Amino acid sequence: KAGVTQTPRYLIKTRGQQVTLSCSPISGHRSVSWYQQTPGQGLQFLFEYFSETQRNKGNFPGRFSGRQFSNSRSEMNVSTLELGDSALYLCASSLVPTGMNTEAFFGQGTRLTVV
Amino acid sequence: QQPVQSPQAVILREGEDAVINCSSSKALYSVHWYRQKHGEAPVFLMILLKGGEQKGHEKISASFNEKKQQSSLYLTASQLSYSGTYFCGTEDGAGNMLTFGGGTRLMVKP
Repeated sequence: KAGVTQTPRYLIKTRGQQVTLSCSPISGHRSVSWYQQTPGQGLQFLFEYFSETQRNKGNFPGRFSGRQFSNSRSEMNVSTLELGDSALYLCASSLVPTGMNTEAFFGQGTRLTVV
Repeated sequence: QQPVQSPQAVILREGEDAVINCSSSKALYSVHWYRQKHGEAPVFLMILLKGGEQKGHEKISASFNEKKQQSSLYLTASQLSYSGTYFCGTEDGAGNMLTFGGGTRLMVKP
């Protein structure tokens, strides 16, 4: 079966712009989580959606937002980009909400560079 | 709060053993382990639940000490394919968000 698909794979944006990243989960998976990965910081949790509802939110400013559609596809938006937002953004999908004794499947990520 | 992993990096020769530790300041409900190879997505290894038993997968196993709020990942007779960055993720309650540690970079040399 197809894995988790993230688009685009690479993105270069200018400070102050906004960006939208997309994540298509594995078919049948209803939970999507987003993480920011930077060198030395590991995987920082952004938010999790399950059946179009945000379940959990990490400690990120309001410039970071997300949503999930009825087909479980999810988008993440970052407004007013800052240089520090440069990172690999990963999404992970699972059948049920993360933590309910379930494995999460990660996508390849979107590499965002802010210049 | 992010769990703390140790060591941050380790270099092994093929066939050697390694232990990676994951500690939290909070009481834990579960610990998840993932491995990420360079340029690839993290891949699930195993989950350990509070009150559960030690788990194993081939030559990789893990334990969960609830009292110490700590988990350890054991890699025995390491293979070249074990190289990568290992992340532990912790939950402080059922269904709560998964918080990952900073990762442990493991390199296995021939």
